[in-house]
Order: sequence, then C-alpha cells, then structure tokens
Amino acid sequence: GQQVMQIPQYQHVQEGEDFTTYCNSSTTLSNIQWYKQRPGGHPVFLIQLVKSGEVKKQKRLTFQFGEAKKNSSLHITATQTTDVGTYFCAGRSYGGSQGNLIFGKGTKLSVKP
Amino acid sequence: GAGVSQTPSNKVTEKGKYVELRCDPISGHTALYWYRQSLGQGPEFLIYFQGTGAADDSGLPNDRFFAVRPEGSVSTLKIQRTERGDSAVYLCASSQQHTGSQYFGPGTRLTVL
Repeated sequence: GQQVMQIPQYQHVQEGEDFTTYCNSSTTLSNIQWYKQRPGGHPVFLIQLVKSGEVKKQKRLTFQFGEAKKNSSLHITATQTTDVGTYFCAGRSYGGSQGNLIFGKGTKLSVKP
Repeated sequence: GAGVSQTPSNKVTEKGKYVELRCDPISGHTALYWYRQSLGQGPEFLIYFQGTGAADDSGLPNDRFFAVRPEGSVSTLKIQRTERGDSAVYLCASSQQHTGSQYFGPGTRLTVL
C-alpha cells in the first residue's frame, strides 16, 4: 500500500539556525498537506500543495512539492523556540479514497535558545 | 466558532471491555475522520465519513472497531473486546470538503489495562 516517509526523525537546532524536513511517497500524490503538532497537542493544518513543482511561503516557512508529485519539503528559516513541535506531511494518492490521508511519522524539532 | 471536541479526554478500561469515543465536529463540516496515533507515530487513518455514510473504512484494523454518524454530525467510534494493543490517542478531524484541510480535535487517550 501507499507509504509516506519522512526524514529526519529528529532534528535539534540552535535558535536562529535553519531547519528542513523531507517527505517521500511511494506513489504519486494528488496533493500533500503539512501539519504541526506541539508537544501534548493535536495536529494543526499548515498548508496544502496541489500542483507539480509548487512552492508556497508562510513567513519563515517554505513548502515545496516535487515535480513528480512524490516528494515534498518544509524549510524553516531562522528557527525560533515557538517552532518546537513535530511536523507531519500527509498525502493523498490518485485512485484511492479522497478522504484517506496517509501521514508520515513526522520530524520532531527541538530548538535550543 | 467552536472547534472539534472529543469526549472523554481520557479513558481507562480493562481488557475485554467495550468503549465508545465521541466526536463533535465543527458545525457545517460534512467530512469527518477518525485516526489513531501511537507514541512517536503519525496519525493512522481509520475511517472517513461524508455526511452520514462511511465513505472509506479501509483503515479499521478489524471487526472489533465500528463507527457511526447517524445524523451527519456527531460520530461515535466503538471498540468491542478491547485489547492492550488498542491503547493509543484516538483523534477525530473534520473538514468542509473531503479534499480540504482537516481540523483536529484534542483526542481521546485510551488506555487498556
């Protein structure tokens, strides 16, 4: 079945450093979403990417969707302590149920002040 | 307006017992999803409702798990003959349309002793 893999599993950075997490799918995706989960919290929607090669920015966050629509990345510039949490990508594949969102295992980000 | 609510927030039960977990989605959201999240993992898709009907229940692990949404709003996830391996946080999410961003509730932490 469809699998979504994320790397790295953990990332420890000094405040002010950049951070990137990568997401790879075993199948071509119709779209991909990114979520952030703070410690003890629930996933919160960040963004959805639909088009091949799409790039979207939200302040210090930059999201990319690969040309083949099988991979994606999230880059955070100049991390802050408020960026702490686990970042998940979640993808929908073509041909499957449109409601079935497959999540990666996430990348846990810690930021040292 | 109010977000997605889930009750109870915590449920401790004994192996073999029956449990019901409730989800109250955001008003007007036609799509409702149930996920299960174990420690260090991403949310695992269980079932998705569009209105009153289960559009995709392919994620339910076995026939001990069942979910209903009789009036197209509140949903109940039912687990029969609970096993220790069922222990996890059960997350509910809703969205305005099945391809849109999902809004998650705080989850129910189920512990099976």
